[in-house]
Amino acid sequence: DTGVSQDPRHKITKRGQNVTFRCDPISEHNRLYWYRQTLGQGPEFLTYFQNEAQLEKSRLLSDRFSAERPKGSFSTLEIQRTEQGDSAMYLCASSWANYEQYFGPGTRLTVT
Amino acid sequence: EDQVTQSPEALRLQEGESSSLNCSYTVSGLRGLFWYRQDPGKGPEFLFTLYSAGEEKEKERLKATLTKKESFLHITAPKPEDSATYLCAVQANYGGSQGNLIFGKGTKLSVKP
Repeated sequence: DTGVSQDPRHKITKRGQNVTFRCDPISEHNRLYWYRQTLGQGPEFLTYFQNEAQLEKSRLLSDRFSAERPKGSFSTLEIQRTEQGDSAMYLCASSWANYEQYFGPGTRLTVT
Repeated sequence: EDQVTQSPEALRLQEGESSSLNCSYTVSGLRGLFWYRQDPGKGPEFLFTLYSAGEEKEKERLKATLTKKESFLHITAPKPEDSATYLCAVQANYGGSQGNLIFGKGTKLSVKP
């Protein structure tokens, strides 16, 4: 079991550019979650999938954010027209059903 | 509104000095309470899940307990390698909110040798 992996680990982009992050969950897990974490705060929920279905989205997830999980395996999170306020650590987690969530190392996004 | 409050925000201990971290929560229906450890620049690492009041879980120098309004993470005889931010999170069991975790801001623990 290699755990949850995320790519890239770091991303620096200019305001207005689009970025895409990838998450590979633990293979036996059917749920996949995206969270965002800023300095000094706990992770904030963005969205989650059960298999390939997106079951819940936070109101934090503006129209510029979109997430997919084709075939119920890996997931991508895309941010269009990035803004400086999007700078944060983006965390992916996976779980079997409602049980404990295991997090990946995160992707740190810096928007300049 | 569902809410998690952790105290203190920061805690400095000497090696071997036992203490407790507090997590107070407000949620209409609690499915589970989770404790995580987070090292700087890394993702949270799962420690414990507690489901009902009175439940206790232990792992090495850590012990987590749960009441109807709060949870405690007791650290016995801590070592410098226990230094990290400890996060508490709740999962609700009503409506559509049966997946996401609601986190507190964490307690930053520093253990000096």
